[in-house]
Amino acid sequence: EVQLVESGGGLVQPGRSLKLSCLASGFTFSNYGMNWIRQAPGKGLEWVASISSSSSYIYYADTVKGRFTISRDNAKNTLYLQMTSLRSEDTALYYCARPASYWGQGVMVTVSS
Amino acid sequence: DVVMTQTPPSLSVAIGQSVSISCKSSQSLVYSDGKTYLHWLLQSPGRSPKRLIYQVSNLGSGVPDRFSGTGSQKDFTLKISRVEAEDLGVYYCAQTTHFPYTFGAGTKLELK
Repeated sequence: EVQLVESGGGLVQPGRSLKLSCLASGFTFSNYGMNWIRQAPGKGLEWVASISSSSSYIYYADTVKGRFTISRDNAKNTLYLQMTSLRSEDTALYYCARPASYWGQGVMVTVSS
Repeated sequence: DVVMTQTPPSLSVAIGQSVSISCKSSQSLVYSDGKTYLHWLLQSPGRSPKRLIYQVSNLGSGVPDRFSGTGSQKDFTLKISRVEAEDLGVYYCAQTTHFPYTFGAGTKLELK
C-alpha cells in the first residue's frame, strides 16, 4: 500500500522558517518525481514545487521562489520542503503528492504572530 | 501559466442522477511525448484529494466505473453516472503537462 506521511508543520511567526518532511512507502520512491501542493483554509489547490526522481530538475511556483527549497533523500525515501521568510499567505495544508496518483494526508502550517 | 476553467462551480444532485463537469484549459495539454496529462481528483469532506482519473480517461485503481473522463487538447469532461452518496465532495481537474502545474477552482457536488 502506498503511503505518503507528512510531518513538521505547526505554528510559526512571520519571517521564520520551517521544514516539512514526507516519508514515502509502498513504491520505489527513487523512480518518481514528487511535489508539494498546498491548500489554504477553505480554498482550492495550489502547486508549490516539484523535484525530479534524481533531483536533476526542480521547479517552483512564483509565489514561493527564492523562499522555499524542495529536496529529497532517496536513501531515506523522504521528500523535504524547507520554507524560509514565511508569510501569513503561506498558511495552508501542505500535501506531499504525485498528483496524478497519490496524495498524503497533509500537514498544517500556520504563519501568525 | 495554464488557466483551468472548471464549470459549474457547484452541482446539486439526487442519488442515482448522472452529472457532468467541464474543464477547459487555456493551452493544449498535449505533452511532447504525445500524452495528455489532465487528471480528475475528488476531495471528500475533511479528506485529502484522491485521484479518480489520470491522463484524460484512465480510471484509477479502485475507482468505480460510474466515473468516466473524455476530451482532448483543451476541452475535457468528467461524467458520473448514477451518483452515490460517497461521491459527494469537491472535484478538481488538474494539469501536469506544463509548469507551473495548475488546478481548476473545483466543482462542489452536493445532495439535493
